[in-house]
Amino acid sequence: AAGVIQSPRHLIKEKRETATLKCYPIPRHDTVYWYQQGPGQDPQFLISFYEKMQSDKGSIPDRFSAQQFSDYHSELNMSSLELGDSALYFCASSFGSGGAVVEQFFGPGTRLTVL
Amino acid sequence: QKEVEQDPGPLSVPEGAIVSLNCTYSNSAFQYFMWYRQYSRKGPELLMYTYSSGNKEDGRFTAQVDKSSKYISLFIRDSQPSDSATYLCAMMDSSYKLIFGSGTRLLVRP
Repeated sequence: AAGVIQSPRHLIKEKRETATLKCYPIPRHDTVYWYQQGPGQDPQFLISFYEKMQSDKGSIPDRFSAQQFSDYHSELNMSSLELGDSALYFCASSFGSGGAVVEQFFGPGTRLTVL
Repeated sequence: QKEVEQDPGPLSVPEGAIVSLNCTYSNSAFQYFMWYRQYSRKGPELLMYTYSSGNKEDGRFTAQVDKSSKYISLFIRDSQPSDSATYLCAMMDSSYKLIFGSGTRLLVRP
């Protein structure tokens, strides 16, 4: 079965550079979530989109922005990168609204290292 | 204080043992209670979820929720070395975003 695809899988950037992470949800899934997992930490919710509209926002820095496109893929844009942004970034997808969105399927993550 | 508390472990058990993993939470608005399994360098994988209080069984896994005590558990029967992973509890309120526990590392020794 098709899973959530994230690219790139690994990314190394310098401080103050920008990075773009991409997420391709499972086909027919219309909701995308972004989570950040620091070393030894639990995943923290950043932002979510439903039908191309932002549906919820968590602890996402102002330096980060995200959007969902017409084909439902999503991109997380990160600017002025800081050392503390080094983490594993997960995208998850789900279908529908209400109780259906309980089942969030996670991608393999993008490991971002900021030097 | 975190909304969801989970003992990080590690928890080491022999093959075949019954494993008990637990989380406590403080937000009474949580409606859905999940257990995710995460292997090293992989994304979390949903094992099972329950809605409100009660038990749910799926093969060797049983999830329990006690909303009055704000306490959830995951039991793994006949544990296998392949069960070695980090187990994350997660909770969801009406906004559908997941609030995770810190995860418990489980090692099942052959």
